Amino acid sequence: AQTVTQSQPEMSVQEAETVTLSCTYDTSESNYYLFWYKQPPSRQMILVIRQEAYKQQNATENRFSVNFQKAAKSFSLKISDSQLGDTAMYFCAFMKGADMRFGAGTRLTVKP
Amino acid sequence: GAGVSQSPRYKVAKRGQDVALRCDPISGHVSLFWYQQALGQGPEFLTYFQNEAQLDKSGLPSDRFFAERPEGSVSTLKIQRTQQEDSAVYLCASSLGTSGGWVNEQFFGPGTRLTVL
Repeated sequence: AQTVTQSQPEMSVQEAETVTLSCTYDTSESNYYLFWYKQPPSRQMILVIRQEAYKQQNATENRFSVNFQKAAKSFSLKISDSQLGDTAMYFCAFMKGADMRFGAGTRLTVKP
Repeated sequence: GAGVSQSPRYKVAKRGQDVALRCDPISGHVSLFWYQQALGQGPEFLTYFQNEAQLDKSGLPSDRFFAERPEGSVSTLKIQRTQQEDSAVYLCASSLGTSGGWVNEQFFGPGTRLTVL
């Protein structure tokens, strides 16, 4: 079974600075999808960024980018120019077919 | 709206009561998922439907949990004889399909927070 590990329960960053959230996963699959979801206090999960395992190029969405290391089974999220609205829980997720597994999450606080 | 909706948003039940949680997926989405999210944790898979067929219910914690999607759209998660350990946020998600690729991307509802006293 696939497992997803987020080793940082909580992190904080100053506004306008850069922060990196870590995620590792365990799988024997070769083709799969990885996601970072954001869950603000209102609770709705919002997709931040996604990566296909067969693509070597790291995904980027505006201030959000990933560092995908397939051999190391690592999928970290970098948030540049952090904003107060980035304060939320961030979940890393692994998907193969209809099966999606989440990590325990990292609570990110952006400080003014 | 075009998103996944869930009702009620909050539910308080006395231990032993039955509850029913509703999910309205995005129109046209074939797949529907239920997750349980304990406080401070990531969502944990409960069950999955493709149209009206329940293809996987391996995550349901006990036979007190039952889910249905009779017409392949709206789904209901029912919990019988609720226990305190059932207190959690129940998330519903839907996706366009399961044939592979980005059609599998799941869109989440706001969740129902269940508190069992």
